[in-house]
Amino acid sequence: EDQVTQSPEALRLQEGESSSLNCSYTVSGLRGLFWYRQDPGKGPEFLFTLYSAGEEKEKERLKATLTKKESFLHITAPKPEDSATYLCAVQGGGATNKLIFGTGTLLAVQP
Amino acid sequence: GAVVSQHPSRVICKSGTSVKIECRSLDFQATTMFWYRQFPKQSLMLMATSNEGSKATYEQGVEKDKFLINHASLTLSTLTVTSAHPEDSSFYICSAHRGGEETQYFGPGTRLLVL
Repeated sequence: EDQVTQSPEALRLQEGESSSLNCSYTVSGLRGLFWYRQDPGKGPEFLFTLYSAGEEKEKERLKATLTKKESFLHITAPKPEDSATYLCAVQGGGATNKLIFGTGTLLAVQP
Repeated sequence: GAVVSQHPSRVICKSGTSVKIECRSLDFQATTMFWYRQFPKQSLMLMATSNEGSKATYEQGVEKDKFLINHASLTLSTLTVTSAHPEDSSFYICSAHRGGEETQYFGPGTRLLVL
């Protein structure tokens, strides 16, 4: 059964304190791993899609990496506006385009 | 590109009435659209997948007669919550899948409160 586990559940950082969020997954035939950011009361905002082990993508202070078992979202020198819930999802090799979501990491960056 | 809108953003209705939520892809044609619900402090739960011009595929445990989905065009899908009850109160979010891509793009969500 396809499964996604995110850790930690919550993370509190000081502004400028870099850290990483983890997404461990089990899936039959990975078609894509996705990172989204969700602010309270809003829909998820797309950040990255990763397709194969070894792939990396960057956007401003965020960098996503992928191995065969997990993905990391590295946050460099975070700012308070980076505070949000970060969601990881995978799409398996089945006939549907369903995403399997993790429960998210709630990030709080204090000034 | 890849903007998805939802309307309304917030709705309050009385128990027993029906509510329709619209999901539109504004700058692309969506081959597939998805409907999720999200309870406070929980992740997204997929309700159904809809392809333009065909019947929606519902996830196990989701009542198809209660949550009616229509995907009439490549840019519009609607979710109708029929005979709403207080336990249907939730945050409903749609997403759209652009042809040739694996990524789903999400709408801003609709907060439904049933009194």
